[in-house]
Amino acid sequence: QQQVKQSPQSLIVQKGGISIINCAYENTAFDYFPWYQQFPGKGPALLIAIRPDVSEKKEGRFTISFNKSAKQFSLHIMDSQPGDSATYFCAALNAGNNRKLIWGLGTSLAVNP
Amino acid sequence: GAVVSQHPSWVICKSGTSVKIECRSLDFQATTMFWYRQFPKQSLMLMATSNEGSKATYEQGVEKDKFLINHASLTLSTLTVTSAHPEDSSFYICRATGPGRWETQYFGPGTRLLVL
Repeated sequence: QQQVKQSPQSLIVQKGGISIINCAYENTAFDYFPWYQQFPGKGPALLIAIRPDVSEKKEGRFTISFNKSAKQFSLHIMDSQPGDSATYFCAALNAGNNRKLIWGLGTSLAVNP
Repeated sequence: GAVVSQHPSWVICKSGTSVKIECRSLDFQATTMFWYRQFPKQSLMLMATSNEGSKATYEQGVEKDKFLINHASLTLSTLTVTSAHPEDSSFYICRATGPGRWETQYFGPGTRLLVL
């Protein structure tokens, strides 16, 4: 059972455009929602994360929007650049459950120059 | 800079041999280490969770006798793939967390294993 559903599976955006990736979760016990960026052959790197007590968090060109009632959160990449081309994973964690990360299936983002 | 290292970064071995992968936390005490496996174009699959000084907890479907995990110190965890076979070829990644650091989620750079 996929507890965190991520969409789209792949995304193509023009340079300067906005990339939007969506995730939905089921377990209301989750209390931490990170996004990871992974380049081919590399381990994932934490991009940005949010707790459920806020509805939005922004760090540079990256913004997480969080809708607790809908159990959805999304990543917005503003002014997308070719260097942003990577696979993005959303995840959710219950800090009380041995800190296991529950992963989305990933979104492959390609930003065309 | 990197706070979690893995060694080796890639390894090629013959079928039937054992391979050890090390995961080190460089500037913090990793009380919990997670080991993942990732196949091409797929998400990370959690294999096991290990707490320092305790036996690892394996996820369903992961053979504990095949994937031996040792977390003997607060800075080092090892994953040994015993009697490796071609189907074990994958990208293995560790994640380390420590006291007060659970939100930080440091991942290692990964180890590419190819079993011939």
